[in-house]
Amino acid sequence: GAVVSQHPSRVICKSGTSVKIECRSLDFQATTMFWYRQFPKQSLMLMATSNEGSKATYEQGVEKDKFLINHASLTLSTLTVTSAHPEDSSFYICSAIPYKGQPMNQPQHFGDGTRLSIL
Amino acid sequence: AQSVTQPDIHITVSEGASLELRCNYSYGATPYLFWYVQSPGQGLQLLLKYFSGDTLVQGIKGFEAEFKRSQSSFNLRKPSVHWSDAAEYFCAVGGTGGGNKLTFGTGTQLKVEL
Repeated sequence: GAVVSQHPSRVICKSGTSVKIECRSLDFQATTMFWYRQFPKQSLMLMATSNEGSKATYEQGVEKDKFLINHASLTLSTLTVTSAHPEDSSFYICSAIPYKGQPMNQPQHFGDGTRLSIL
Repeated sequence: AQSVTQPDIHITVSEGASLELRCNYSYGATPYLFWYVQSPGQGLQLLLKYFSGDTLVQGIKGFEAEFKRSQSSFNLRKPSVHWSDAAEYFCAVGGTGGGNKLTFGTGTQLKVEL
């Protein structure tokens, strides 16, 4: 149980294009999803917290106009990297928390990540 | 502010040997503690978690961790390592003080020698 699917797993595109990454909770509902960025051989850096039906909360230093997050349903959140440039190349990972009982007691379940390469 | 320190960047052990990965945390409220494992190019898999109760927690794949409040530690252990355990291991802290947000350590890369 608690499977999170992330799509695509890898994307290569030209500088200036926008890229959408999907994060789906397959067998549970998730009111809260998180988006992380991971640089090679480094830890995960939280970019934003995505709450179903409301605006995302971005961490300090993350450009909300650059990284658009939409959490339209209890099973889907999307991250759109707008006008992507080479410096946006990274590994993006989403996670979701099951909506049951006390959300505070639920661990985050992670997708397999998306490797984004901007040429 | 919450923080996590994993003092060992790399650890190499022989297959069959015991393993201990260190994790120290700083958190102003009751901490929720997690260990995740990441294989190359993959997401994170939850190994175990501690919220309250018994300070020795059992996880998947034969891993366990012990919460020691006095030492602000949550070290991960395994009595006998398998070659398939080679991966990156992340300790994370969260809790009621920070909502569901997690702060991750910098990770420990485990290499297993056959």
